Amino acid sequence: AQKVTQAQTEISVVEKEDVTLDCVYETRDTTYYLFWYKQPPSGELVFLIRRNSFDEQNEISGRYSWNFQKSTSSFNFTITASQVVDSAVYFCALRGPLRGSQGNLIFGKGTKLSVKP
Amino acid sequence: NAGVTQTPKFQVLKTGQSMTLQCAQDMNHEYMSWYRQDPGMGLRLIHYSVGAGITDQGEVPNGYNVSRSTTEDFPLRLLSAAPSQTSVYFCASSWTSTTNEKLFFGSGTQLSVL
Repeated sequence: AQKVTQAQTEISVVEKEDVTLDCVYETRDTTYYLFWYKQPPSGELVFLIRRNSFDEQNEISGRYSWNFQKSTSSFNFTITASQVVDSAVYFCALRGPLRGSQGNLIFGKGTKLSVKP
Repeated sequence: NAGVTQTPKFQVLKTGQSMTLQCAQDMNHEYMSWYRQDPGMGLRLIHYSVGAGITDQGEVPNGYNVSRSTTEDFPLRLLSAAPSQTSVYFCASSWTSTTNEKLFFGSGTQLSVL
């Protein structure tokens, strides 16, 4: 069975601090796909990044970076120099390789990040 | 480009009432799904569809019904609303349910069952 664990329920930081959001996943598939979504206070879900299991390169996009490590089944998300606008709930998600139920996106419970000025 | 459109945005029901949450996408996506979001529970899959005429259950299907008569529409029906169905509901779609296709989400429907 597939599972995504985001052990950090809530994190509070002061602006300009760096913060890492943890994501640990479980799957028996050798091919799978990982995602991060952001849900700001307005409620909509915003896609941030996707990663294939066969691509372990880390990625950086501005202040955001993602560290994918298959050896530890982790796909962690780091925000550098956090800003108040980063305050949101962040979800990590996993999808298997096949159609049907294994193709559904399985979400973690989310981490609520509060960035204080 | 409207994307995924959900209606209504807010709804209050009495226990036992039925209603339909509407979801439409204009991207010709094959895959559509419904999630519910509850505090501390993340997003849980209710039902999904991999194409017109094909639907299946997700993690929490009880009390909900779906159909997919067209590619564009995927309504979610609450047969007899219960307070436990108070939640925020999201409809989402993607080209397929495989590979790394990202999900496009609607803006959500906040439902309260009294």
